[in-house]
Amino acid sequence: AQSVSQHNHHVILSEAASLELGCNYSYGGTVNLFWYVQYPGQHLQLLLKYFSGDPLVKGIKGFEAEFIKSKFSFNLRKPSVQWSDTAEYFCAVINFGNEKLTFGTGTRLTIIP
Amino acid sequence: DVKVTQSSRYLVKRTGEKVFLECVQDMDHENMFWYRQDPGLGLRLIYFSYDVKMKEKGDIPEGYSVSREKKERFSLILESASTNQTSMYLCASSFIAGGRWDNNEQFFGPGTRLTVL
Repeated sequence: AQSVSQHNHHVILSEAASLELGCNYSYGGTVNLFWYVQYPGQHLQLLLKYFSGDPLVKGIKGFEAEFIKSKFSFNLRKPSVQWSDTAEYFCAVINFGNEKLTFGTGTRLTIIP
Repeated sequence: DVKVTQSSRYLVKRTGEKVFLECVQDMDHENMFWYRQDPGLGLRLIYFSYDVKMKEKGDIPEGYSVSREKKERFSLILESASTNQTSMYLCASSFIAGGRWDNNEQFFGPGTRLTVL
């Protein structure tokens, strides 16, 4: 069965620092990859997704992620974080032909002003 | 905009009570899902449904059941609530992935925080 690993459980950064959150999945094949974000008190929303084509995908609020198939990875990046990026971030994977998303355990990001 | 609504934001129940959590989506999505979210465990799938009256078990179905009588509505039922079911419950919906591979994003509701005393 598919599994998703997010190795960073809690990341603390100062504003303007660069961010990279790791995401690795276990089972190959054709996949869709997602990053969701949950701001404090708000519902989960999509940050970005990969389904085909250019492995570097751009999302909302200046986030981007790179799909590296050989490494089973989909790391999230942002060159300069803001206090408003404080949130919990979830990586998720769905395999082609499957209807179920598999989520990682999440990374809590705290930005210090 | 897709909208997924859940009947309650906060719910407090006693051990042994029967609990109903309701979810409604307005995008004509085929798929609907129930997850629970716990700190350090991420989101775990309880049940999902890909059509009216159809259901499939997710990763942690024990202690739960579901009902989907109409396409837009998906209910999660705790037959006899227990304290270990205290959690945040999230509902989501999506198009069927197989038919729309580039459009299978799941849309989430605001969640119901259930406390079982």
